Order: sequence, then C-alpha cells, then structure tokens
Amino acid sequence: QKEVEQNSGPLSVPEGAIASLNCTYSDRVSQSFFWYRQYSGKSPELIMSIYSNGDKEDGRFTAQLNKASQYVSLLIRDSQPSDSATYLCAVIFSNNYGQNFVFGPGTRLSVLP
Amino acid sequence: SAVISQKPSRDICQRGTSLTIQCQVDSQVTMMFWYRQQPGQSLTLIATANQGSEATYESGFVIDKFPISRPNLTFSTLTVSNMSPEDSSIYLCSVGGGVEQYFGPGTRLTVT
Repeated sequence: QKEVEQNSGPLSVPEGAIASLNCTYSDRVSQSFFWYRQYSGKSPELIMSIYSNGDKEDGRFTAQLNKASQYVSLLIRDSQPSDSATYLCAVIFSNNYGQNFVFGPGTRLSVLP
Repeated sequence: SAVISQKPSRDICQRGTSLTIQCQVDSQVTMMFWYRQQPGQSLTLIATANQGSEATYESGFVIDKFPISRPNLTFSTLTVSNMSPEDSSIYLCSVGGGVEQYFGPGTRLTVT
C-alpha cells in the first residue's frame, strides 16, 4: 500500500514566523515530490516540486527532501495570514501499470495576525 | 501551465440521477485525470482519461458508476451515475505537464 502521511493540524503560527510542514511516504524508490496549497473552497495549486535530496528555495518557500529517511518538508518563512490554507503533499509512486500521484491528507495551516 | 475549465462549477442533484462534468484545457495534453475530494478529505484518483482508449480506473472505482470520455487531447467528461448522497463531493479534473499535475477549479456536487 502506497501511503503519504502528514500531520492533519491545525498548525497555528504567528504572523512573521516560520511554518514547518512535514510529510513522510512509504515507497523508498519514489523520485518526485510536490507541495500543493488549497484554500477553502478552491482547487489545489502547485507551489513546489522537488526531485533531488537537499533544499529547493522559491521565494518564501523552501522544500526539503531526504530520500533516505523518506521525508519531505515545506518551510514557509515570514508567514502571512494569506498563507492560511491546507497544504497537501503529493508523491509519485510507480507500479506495474505506470505512475500514480498519491496525496497525503493535508495539513491545515493557520497564520495568526 | 495550461488553463483548465470545468462545467458545471456546482450542482445539486437528486438521488438516482446522473451528472456529466466537462473538463476543457486550452492546449493539447496527453494525460488527463479525474479526482474526487470528499468533504474534509484529501484527493483520491478516480481514473486516468486516455485519449482514444478506455479510461484506467483505480481500485474502488468502476466504469459503470463513473464513465469517462476523452474524445480529443483537450477535452474529457466524467459522468457520476445513479447518484446517492455518498457521491456528494468535489470532482476535480487535472492535467499532466510533464511530471507535475495541474488542477481545474472543480465541480461541487451535492446529492439530495
């Protein structure tokens, strides 16, 4: 069973702080990892993708990947109330029929003014 | 990334009826997918819509309940058949851009 796990939250951080969102996955051979942001009532929006071990930075967002530990995280620096949303971790798993996107349950982030 | 539209954006349907959801993309794409997001839940893949062949369904989803069409590289439909209140969900179309996936705005379905 291919699984992606996240803390459901809610994770509350004060405005200006760093929000840290974590994700673990079950398949050691997975190579592609994604973070989506979903505002209430809206569809998921891709904000980061990462394929290699280490850090990948894009503005206030940093994705971190550790394949040995099967762990991927998303850091949001200088958190803003507009960052309040559910953050979904997605992993591509391979099987005999091809590749599947599997989403985690999501972590609800609340940034307090 | 591609611009994706879905129709209808929302609907309220009676038990036992069927609803067809349309997904239109502004460019040709190889891979199109249909997901379901039940209230308060994450996304679950229903099927991959293949152009020119039958859709590939995930475990727990069957063609009789969720027939899919993919007549060309920019359009797909998902039908939710013989609906029950348990089918009340958001249904999302997504397209593959290489490895990544991008989502349409979704269709919010309520079955009464």
